[in-house]
Amino acid sequence: SQKIEQNSEALNIQEGKTATLTCNYTNYSPAYLQWYRQDPGRGPVFLLLIRENEKEKRKERLKVTFDTTLKQSLFHITASQPADSATYLCASPRAGNNRKLIWGLGTSLAVNP
Amino acid sequence: NAGVTQTPKFRILKIGQSMTLQCTQDMNHNYMYWYRQDPGMGLKLIYYSVGAGITDKGEVPNGYNVSRSTTEDFPLRLELAAPSQTSVYFCASSPQSPGTSGGYEQFFGPGTRLTVL
Repeated sequence: SQKIEQNSEALNIQEGKTATLTCNYTNYSPAYLQWYRQDPGRGPVFLLLIRENEKEKRKERLKVTFDTTLKQSLFHITASQPADSATYLCASPRAGNNRKLIWGLGTSLAVNP
Repeated sequence: NAGVTQTPKFRILKIGQSMTLQCTQDMNHNYMYWYRQDPGMGLKLIYYSVGAGITDKGEVPNGYNVSRSTTEDFPLRLELAAPSQTSVYFCASSPQSPGTSGGYEQFFGPGTRLTVL
């Protein structure tokens, strides 16, 4: 079945460093991948989308890559700040119904001052 | 724009009681979704709707019902609450056409935390 996997272990990094989060997909080839941020007690918020024919996309301190050979997307936050601490979710449209998303479990990021 | 709003924020139900979780969006989005999120389980789709009068089941529809009489509202009904329905419920919406990102991002409400005892 179609699946998205993210690192389940929390990621702890020092302020100012680059955080790198991984999203792997199996058993399908999504047309694009989305990244969302979720703060405790709140709903996810859309951050970035990258299409399968795009190698990289940037938005301010965020960068997303898409490697169709490795079936993987990497999400980078450069010059990280404590305010970046949150859970980051990866999602992609299901094959056959691009309006329904498959969600990863998310990776919790803690940026320490 | 208020975006997606949900009420109530919190609710405690007794087993067997019923309730309706309200969801409203003011962005004129055609697509609306109900998810539940449990610790370690991720977001699971309960029901979704592609427009007023049209709904369809998601991955975990048992024990829930929905209706979509207007573009703005998409209530979720629990008829006979069970402890397994203890969860955080999120409503989301998505536009008919791709957004500036080139895809169909979803906009989420703040969630309803439901406990069934």
